[in-house]
Amino acid sequence: NAGVTQTPKFRVLKTGQSMTLLCAQDMNHEYMYWYRQDPGMGLRLIHYSVGEGTTAKGEVPDGYNVSRLKKQNFLLGLESAAPSQTSVYFCASSWNVNYEQYFGPGTRLTVT
Amino acid sequence: AQSVTQLDSHVSVSEGTPVLLRCNYSSSYSPSLFWYVQHPNKGLQLLLKYTSAATLVKGINGFEAEFKKSETSFHLTKPSAHMSDAAEYFCVVSDITNSGYALNFGKGTSLLVTP
Repeated sequence: NAGVTQTPKFRVLKTGQSMTLLCAQDMNHEYMYWYRQDPGMGLRLIHYSVGEGTTAKGEVPDGYNVSRLKKQNFLLGLESAAPSQTSVYFCASSWNVNYEQYFGPGTRLTVT
Repeated sequence: AQSVTQLDSHVSVSEGTPVLLRCNYSSSYSPSLFWYVQHPNKGLQLLLKYTSAATLVKGINGFEAEFKKSETSFHLTKPSAHMSDAAEYFCVVSDITNSGYALNFGKGTSLLVTP
């Protein structure tokens, strides 16, 4: 099993550009999550999904959109990138909220 | 509302000495609590979790944590530090509230292990 994979691993964007980060899991998990990690801030939840076709806002959702069209995939979109969105983005999945979350390796995004 | 406070942003220990990483939480309900570890340029890995069973939880690599409801604490310990334990450690509270799902990460504790 590959576990949780993220595409791409690195990306540089100019302000105003758009992009989509892809997260895929092969563990048949219902729950999927997108986090951003910034120095000294820990991980902050952007959006999450409790099942195929569902999404919900986390702690820092502004400037991001998500979609969960297939159970195994969770997409994070930036419609108009801003320098404040420079961060490392982690995707995770779990059976339920009280179960272990499995994390992907991260995507390092720089917005200039 | 619930929150997580990791009391130390940096901890430095000598190899072979005990490790203590402190975590306090606040919660409206009975939470689930986790400790995750992140090695440089890696994703997070679960060390251990508490989900209302035994209050002393044993995890991987010799780590353990004790849930103390009266003190609202979930401190992480290890009897003897190894060089490979140097990493960032996150305390996490998972909670279900009236407004839905909530998950809070602490800001992290960076563990340095010196020879």
